[in-house]
Amino acid sequence: NAGVTQTPKFQVLKTGQSMTLQCAQDMNHNSMYWYRQDPGMGLRLIYYSASEGTTDKGEVPNGYNVSRLNKREFSLRLESAAPSQTSVYFCASRGDRGYGYTFGSGTRLTVV
Amino acid sequence: GQQVMQIPQYQHVQEGEDFTTYCNSSTTLSNIQWYKQRPGGHPVFLIQLVKSGEVKKQKRLTFQFGEAKKNSSLHITATQTTDVGTYFCAGVAYNQGGKLIFGQGTELSVKP
Repeated sequence: NAGVTQTPKFQVLKTGQSMTLQCAQDMNHNSMYWYRQDPGMGLRLIYYSASEGTTDKGEVPNGYNVSRLNKREFSLRLESAAPSQTSVYFCASRGDRGYGYTFGSGTRLTVV
Repeated sequence: GQQVMQIPQYQHVQEGEDFTTYCNSSTTLSNIQWYKQRPGGHPVFLIQLVKSGEVKKQKRLTFQFGEAKKNSSLHITATQTTDVGTYFCAGVAYNQGGKLIFGQGTELSVKP
């Protein structure tokens, strides 16, 4: 039972480079989310997808794009990385009401 | 926009002492969730509270949801070293599409 799988686990980018963070869940969840975590600021919602084929902006969407490829996969793309995007990125999914989010193990991204 | 504030930011206790973290929302919540994140790990769902005035217990952990559904607390009785980590509250406001907004977290350290 893998749950939510994120790749890569670590990444170092140069300013201006692009990359895609991958996320897949095997729990047949409809909703998927991308959060970033910075020291002292908790987790902030970047984008979310309530169901396959839909995406919506969260609290901090600028500089990011997402794709809900199918029910299992939800990717996050940085088109032109900036040092301010250095963070830990978590993908999460949610099943039926009454249950919490299941988080992946995170991607630790450094932009130099 | 919706804000969830959590205090204190840090708490250092001696093993066996009690611990409480408090969460306040700027808006009325449909439900509130609590998560625990171990150092270097990812958030793990602990519990969800839905009803006004609700109290739930998990062994040494007691969770409360305020009467106005705008505040919540987590109390740990007789802390153990295994309780070390950061505790997050996260709220879902009405008419916000189910988006979960996290507080900044309370980092708990326990001295043996």
